[in-house]
Amino acid sequence: AQSVTQLGSHVSVSEGALVLLRCNYSSSVPPYLFWYVQYPNQGLQLLLKYTSAATLVKGINGFEAEFKKSETSFHLTKPSAHMSDAAEYFCAVSDWGNNNDMRFGAGTRLTVKP
Amino acid sequence: EAGVTQFPSHSVIEKGQTVTLRCDPISGHDNLYWYRRVMGKEIKFLLHFVKESKQDESGMPNNRFLAERTGGTYSTLKVQPAELEDSGVYFCASSQVGTQGQYFGPGTRLLVL
Repeated sequence: AQSVTQLGSHVSVSEGALVLLRCNYSSSVPPYLFWYVQYPNQGLQLLLKYTSAATLVKGINGFEAEFKKSETSFHLTKPSAHMSDAAEYFCAVSDWGNNNDMRFGAGTRLTVKP
Repeated sequence: EAGVTQFPSHSVIEKGQTVTLRCDPISGHDNLYWYRRVMGKEIKFLLHFVKESKQDESGMPNNRFLAERTGGTYSTLKVQPAELEDSGVYFCASSQVGTQGQYFGPGTRLLVL
């Protein structure tokens, strides 16, 4: 069975600092991996996805994530945090060709301090 | 283009009552999914429609939950009778068949008292 684990339910960074949100996956088959963001009172918005092309995936709002098979990780990073990045971030995994079988992590709430 | 919409945005009901949640997917999206997030926990898959057919309903908690998608357009999720543990945020998502990545609605926040 597939699963993802997000390390840290809360992460706090200063504005301008590096953002690093951790996600490790477990999958018996090559996975599709996703990062979603949820801003207050809004739905989940797809940030980026890994679908077996480049291992370094660039998403919206300056975020990127690197698929590392040896570490079973898909950490989300942004070089410089902005106040508007404050939100909850979810990592998710699904297997190839099975778009419905998506498993989410518990979420990481990012706080950005001025 | 309109995104996935859900109605109502919030619902507060008493234990034993019935609630019906509605989801309108993005036009042309045959895949429609329901998820639930209980407070502080992960988002869990409930079920998946392809057009009007239930592709996978393995995540439905019990038979108090009934999902329909008549005509393959909008979907409803009925909870009858509601219990306290049904409280949470219910998300709907849609996607085109053959693509990866789902588009989510804003969710319905259900509180059962």
